[in-house]
Formats: sequence, C-alpha cells, structure tokens
Amino acid sequence: KQEVTQIPAALSVPEGENLVLNCSFTDSAIYNLQWFRQDPGKGLTSLLLIQSSQREQTSGRLNASLDKSSGRSTLYIAASQPGDSATYLCAARGGATNKLIFGTGTLLAVQP
Amino acid sequence: NAGVTQTPKFRVLKTGQSMTLLCAQDMNHEYMYWYRQDPGMGLRLIHYSVGEGTTAKGEVPDGYNVSRLKKQNFLLGLESAAPSQTSVYFCATTRDAYYEQYFGPGTRLTVT
Repeated sequence: KQEVTQIPAALSVPEGENLVLNCSFTDSAIYNLQWFRQDPGKGLTSLLLIQSSQREQTSGRLNASLDKSSGRSTLYIAASQPGDSATYLCAARGGATNKLIFGTGTLLAVQP
Repeated sequence: NAGVTQTPKFRVLKTGQSMTLLCAQDMNHEYMYWYRQDPGMGLRLIHYSVGEGTTAKGEVPDGYNVSRLKKQNFLLGLESAAPSQTSVYFCATTRDAYYEQYFGPGTRLTVT
C-alpha cells in the first residue's frame, strides 16, 4: 500500500531564505507526483506535476524534483516571501490503486 | 470559466439527517473525485468516477453514495449523517490519470 510522508510537519523561515520541502513515498511504481498549496480554509491549488519519466519541473521560484529509485521528491522555493505561507501537500499517483495518495502536508510560515 | 465549484460551502446537519453535495466542472474532464480532509489524516478518497454514468469506491466509501448522471456533475450523498462524517469535503477533476487534478473550494460539514 502506497504511503506518502512529508517531513517536517511545520517549518518557519525568515523572508528571503531558500527552502526545501520533502516528500517520500513507499511504492516507487508511480505515474506522477503532484505538489499542491493550500491556504487556510481554501481548496488545493496545483503547483507542479512531475511525470515518472521526468527528474524535475520548474515554475517561477518553485522547482520540484523526483527520484523514483529512492522514493523521494523535493519542492525547492527560492527567495521565500510572506505570501508563500501556506500548507504544501504532495501526492503520488500510481502503484496498485492508481489513485492519488496524499501526504499530510508541511505548514510553512515565512516571517517578514 | 469557473473551473470546479462546490455547493454548499458550509452545512450543519443533525445525526441521522441526509444531504447531497454537488460538484460541478466546466473543464470537460472525464475523471471526478470526492475526498474528505481531516486534521492529521490528510486527504482520503471517498468515491470517484472515470466518466459519465460510472462510479467506484475509494479508500473510505462507507456511509456515502455518489452519482454521475451528467459528465459535468458529481454528487456525493450522505443518507444518514453521523458525527464521524464531520469533515471538509473536496471535489477534484482531471482529464485522465496522467494529468493534474484540479480541486474545488471545499464544503465544510458539521454533524452534531
């Protein structure tokens, strides 16, 4: 059964710092991995989708990497801003169920 | 282009009452999903549909029913609400398994 873990559960950084959020998954037979952002009381906003054949995807200040062999993905945020404060969720699709399995998220606070 | 909308946004039910949550999408996506989000447990799949007229069980289907009579709508029903169904419910859609999932804004349900 696919399990997705995100560590740390919470992170606080000063504005301007570069940071990395971690996501690990137990079943390497995934089709893709998706990173989301969730603001308090809101829905999920898709940030990046990495297919299993890709190593990384970039969008603006965000860069997501995927290493299937080690069961890990990272989301790199460059030059963090207070507006980046949110919960970041990763989700892996594939394995036996071919469904999107979510981690419990990392709550990021960027201090001005 | 509204994307994914959910009705209602908030609801309070008494134990034993029934209700239907509506998800509507204007992206012409085949796949639609219902998730629930609970603190510390992440998002869990309740039911999903791979096309008009189809439905299938997800990870936590007990106590819920769904219908997909029209491609653009996916309904989630609670026949006899229980306090354990207090949660935030999200609908999501995708073109197919290899594409991004897009989420609605959520419905916050409280069962007393």
